[in-house]
Amino acid sequence: DTGVSQDPRHKITKRGQNVTFRCDPISEHNRLYWYRQTLGQGPEFLTYFQNEAQLEKSRLLSDRFSAERPKGSFSTLEIQRTEQGDSAMYLCASSFYITGELFFGEGSRLTVL
Amino acid sequence: AQTVTQSQPEMSVQEAETVTLSCTYDTSENNYYLFWYKQPPSRQMILVIRQEAYKQQNATENRFSVNFQKAAKSFSLKISDSQLGDTAMYFCAFSLSGGSNYKLTFGKGTLLTVNP
Repeated sequence: DTGVSQDPRHKITKRGQNVTFRCDPISEHNRLYWYRQTLGQGPEFLTYFQNEAQLEKSRLLSDRFSAERPKGSFSTLEIQRTEQGDSAMYLCASSFYITGELFFGEGSRLTVL
Repeated sequence: AQTVTQSQPEMSVQEAETVTLSCTYDTSENNYYLFWYKQPPSRQMILVIRQEAYKQQNATENRFSVNFQKAAKSFSLKISDSQLGDTAMYFCAFSLSGGSNYKLTFGKGTLLTVNP
């Protein structure tokens, strides 16, 4: 297994457009997380899945954001009507329940013009 | 709510020397984990070392060790025999133990540069 993969690595879009990011976790990991990292800051928790169930969403996740994890495999994070403030690195991580250690992907960088 | 503070935005060290990165945290909980993550330029974040709060013994991983002071809520990372590949952003992070051990709270990070 090659680890957590994210696609695309970089997305440039115009304000008001919709964007979708995909995350493929490590295959045996049942937990999947999304974090957002802005310049000069540490990552901030957005949401968390255990298998296909979305168990928690941060207040940072406005109504324009939606995340899914169908069948408990890959996950998508969609941002509707993007704003310049959405520009950030979106990090996906996965873990196996017992160990709890998070394995991160390389991130998807969003630039909203 | 838990907070993590890293007071050193940037640090530099000469190759083969030792450097210590500082981290303090605030929590009212008694059972938790502390982590140091490394984020090399344009690469994914990887776990460097983890400390369980109930363990008094400081964690070590090869050249990396921590100084965990629970009463002072301090968790510093010492890197011995620094190597050029240690150049990265280092994040201190906190999570509760038990069922909520998924949500990491990160500090703002310390950019470490190892000079040849």
